[in-house]
Amino acid sequence: AQSVTQLDSHVSVSEGTPVLLRCNYSSSYSPSLFWYVQHPNKGLQLLLKYTSAATLVKGINGFEAEFKKSETSFHLTKPSAHMSDAAEYFCVVSPFLNAGNMLTFGGGTRLMVKP
Amino acid sequence: EAQVTQNPRYLITVTGKKLTVTCSQNMNHEYMSWYRQDPGLGLRQIYYSMNVEVTDKGDVPEGYKVSRKEKRNFPLILESPSPNQTSLYFCASSLYPQQSETQYFGPGTRLLVL
Repeated sequence: AQSVTQLDSHVSVSEGTPVLLRCNYSSSYSPSLFWYVQHPNKGLQLLLKYTSAATLVKGINGFEAEFKKSETSFHLTKPSAHMSDAAEYFCVVSPFLNAGNMLTFGGGTRLMVKP
Repeated sequence: EAQVTQNPRYLITVTGKKLTVTCSQNMNHEYMSWYRQDPGLGLRQIYYSMNVEVTDKGDVPEGYKVSRKEKRNFPLILESPSPNQTSLYFCASSLYPQQSETQYFGPGTRLLVL
């Protein structure tokens, strides 16, 4: 069975400073990994995904994540936070072998950006 | 515009009164799924459908039903809602039921059961 742990339920940064949202996963075989963002009262939007190609994945809005198999991590980073980045972020794993239950979500990290 | 739509967006009901939340996608996707979102738990899958007339249980199917009579529609049915089904519900779809496929999410339906 797979699982996802987002290590921080809340992260607060100042505008213009780096963002780090941490994610650890467990999964048999080679998973696909995703980061989704949810702005208030909105649906989920895909930020980026890892599908066993390059381990450093670039996404939208300046976000990127690095897949580290040895550490079973997939942390999300951004060099400089913007006020519009305030949202909830979900790390998601999709195992290599699954029977249709495609995605397992982490509990979410709420990112707050201070002016 | 390619999208997943859900209706209604907000719903208040009473215990035991049957309700249906509709979900529709215009991308000709084979795979569709329903999730519920609760604070601190992320999203948990309720039911999914690999294609027309093919549905199966996810992690938390108790108290829910689904049907997939047409490719574009995947309604979620609560035959006898209870307060513990108060939640935020999302429908999602992807082109194929494959590991690397991106799932596209609807805007969500916020349900309150009194």
